Parts: sequence; C-alpha cells; structure tokens
Amino acid sequence: KQEVTQIPAALSVPEGENLVLNCSFTDSAIYNLQWFRQDPGKGLTSLLLIQSSQREQTSGRLNASLDKSSGRSTLYIAASQPGDSATYLCAVRPSGFNKFYFGSGTKLNVKP
Amino acid sequence: GAGVSQSPSNKVTEKGKDVELRCDPISGHTALYWYRQSLGQGLEFLIYFQGNSAPDKSGLPSDRFSAERTGGSVSTLTIQRTQQEDSAVYLCASSSPTGLGANVLTFGAGSRLTVL
Repeated sequence: KQEVTQIPAALSVPEGENLVLNCSFTDSAIYNLQWFRQDPGKGLTSLLLIQSSQREQTSGRLNASLDKSSGRSTLYIAASQPGDSATYLCAVRPSGFNKFYFGSGTKLNVKP
Repeated sequence: GAGVSQSPSNKVTEKGKDVELRCDPISGHTALYWYRQSLGQGLEFLIYFQGNSAPDKSGLPSDRFSAERTGGSVSTLTIQRTQQEDSAVYLCASSSPTGLGANVLTFGAGSRLTVL
C-alpha cells in the first residue's frame, strides 16, 4: 500500500518568503502526483499535476518537482502572500491503480 | 456543469437513520471518486467509478455504505443505519482521461455529515 507523508505538518512564514513543502511516498511506481490546496471549510483545488515521466511543473509562483527514485516531491512557493494561507495536500496515484493516496497536508500560514 | 456539485452541503441526522449524498460531476468526466475526510484526518478513499466499468469499492468501510452512478453521470452515496463515527466531510471528485487537464481531479465543496 502506498503511504504518503507530508512534512512539516504546519508552517508559519512572513509574507514575501520563498518556501518549500515536502511530500514523500513509499512506492516509486506511480502514475502521477497532484498538489492541492484546501481552504477552511472548502473542497480541494488542484494546483499542479505531474505525470510520472515529468520532473517538474510550473504555474505562476508555484513549482512542483518530482523525484520518483527517491520517492519525493516538493512544492516551491515563491514570494509568499497572505492569500497563500491554506492547507496543501499532495496525492499520489500508483501505477495500475485508479485511486489516489493523500498525505495529511501541510497547514501554511503566511503572516502579513 | 462548470464544476462538481454536491448536495446537501450540510446534513445533521440521528444515529440509525439512513442518509443519501449526491454528486453531480463535470459534464463529460468519466471518472468519479468519493473520499471521506474526518476531523484532523487525511482523505480516505471510498469508491471509484469509471464509465461503464465495475466500480472499485475497495475503500467502503462497511456494508452500510453503498454508492451508485446512474447513466454515467450523477452519483449517490448512501449510508444506512448511520453511526457517530460516520461523521465527516464526504468529498466527490471527477476527472477525464483525455483532453486539456487530463487526469486532474476536480473536487466538489463536500457534504458535511454530522451524526448525533
């Protein structure tokens, strides 16, 4: 069974800082990996999807990388803003499976 | 529709009652997922539908839980004889295997279930 771990569980940074969120998974045979954000009381919003053949994806101030061999993905957020405050979740879809395995998330607080 | 729609947004019920939660996926999305998010917990997979294929029910926690998807579109998750441990937010997501945004999961806002 794929296990997904996110460290740290919570992070507080001042506005403007660049930051990295970490996601690790136990089985490197993955189909793809997605990063989501979840605002309090809301559903999940997809941020980036990385296919197994890709090394990184970028969207605006966000950059996600994937290293299958080491079972790791990172989400880099540049020039953080208070509006980035949310819980960030990564989800892994193993090869040959339809379900996604989610980490417990990193709760980010960006202070003005 | 423009997004994944779930109803009701909130449901409070008494222990032992049956509840139905509805999910209307994005038009054309053939894959539909149900997940459960309990307070302070991660997302727990419940069930997956893909087109007309047999659903993957491997995540359903007990036989009190069932789900169907009619006409390859709307899905209903039914919980019979609800228990307090069923209290959670039930999230539905859909995706398409092709086109722009292929395989990207789009989630609804969720149905918050409280069992008293």
